Amino acid sequence: AQSVTQLGSHVSVSEGALVLLRCNYSSSVPPYLFWYVQYPNQGLQLLLKYTSAATLVKGINGFEAEFKKSETSFHLTKPSAHMSDAAEYFCAVSEDNAGNMLTFGGGTRLMVKP
Amino acid sequence: KAGVTQTPRYLIKTRGQQVTLSCSPISGHRSVSWYQQTPGQGLQFLFEYFSETQRNKGNFPGRFSGRQFSNSRSEMNVSTLELGDSALYLCASAPQGVPDTQYFGPGTRLTVL
Repeated sequence: AQSVTQLGSHVSVSEGALVLLRCNYSSSVPPYLFWYVQYPNQGLQLLLKYTSAATLVKGINGFEAEFKKSETSFHLTKPSAHMSDAAEYFCAVSEDNAGNMLTFGGGTRLMVKP
Repeated sequence: KAGVTQTPRYLIKTRGQQVTLSCSPISGHRSVSWYQQTPGQGLQFLFEYFSETQRNKGNFPGRFSGRQFSNSRSEMNVSTLELGDSALYLCASAPQGVPDTQYFGPGTRLTVL
């Protein structure tokens, strides 16, 4: 079975600072990888996905992630944090080839200080 | 297009009861997946339905079941509720594609007393 590890259950940054949320995965085959964001009392919203087309993936709201096979990592970054980025972020890997059976990491709660 | 809708949004049940949750996917989406989210276990995959057939199943007991109708709407049922079933149940729908991108609904918050 595949697994996803998100280092740091809580990350705090100042507004305008770099955001770096870490994700490592284990997979025996080239995976499909996803980052989702969850705001309070809401469902999950897709930020970006890796499908092997390009190692650097750009998503919504200025986020991007780089797939590094040698490190089995898919870290999420944003150059400048905004207060509205405060939320919980989940990294996920698909268990099946269609991407319909996701295994999620434990989540990282991002706090943005003014 | 309207997003994924889930009803009800909040539900309170007592131990031993059963519950049915409903999910209406985005128009045209034929795949519907269900996930359970709890503080202790995080997000866990329950099952996925495609064209009225269960295509994938997670590691949950048989008390958890689901079905999909011809219009792609889906229901999940939990019988003999336990306190540990208290969770946010999320439904996601996906169009056909490789890989599919799942679009999540707001969830149903189930509290078991």
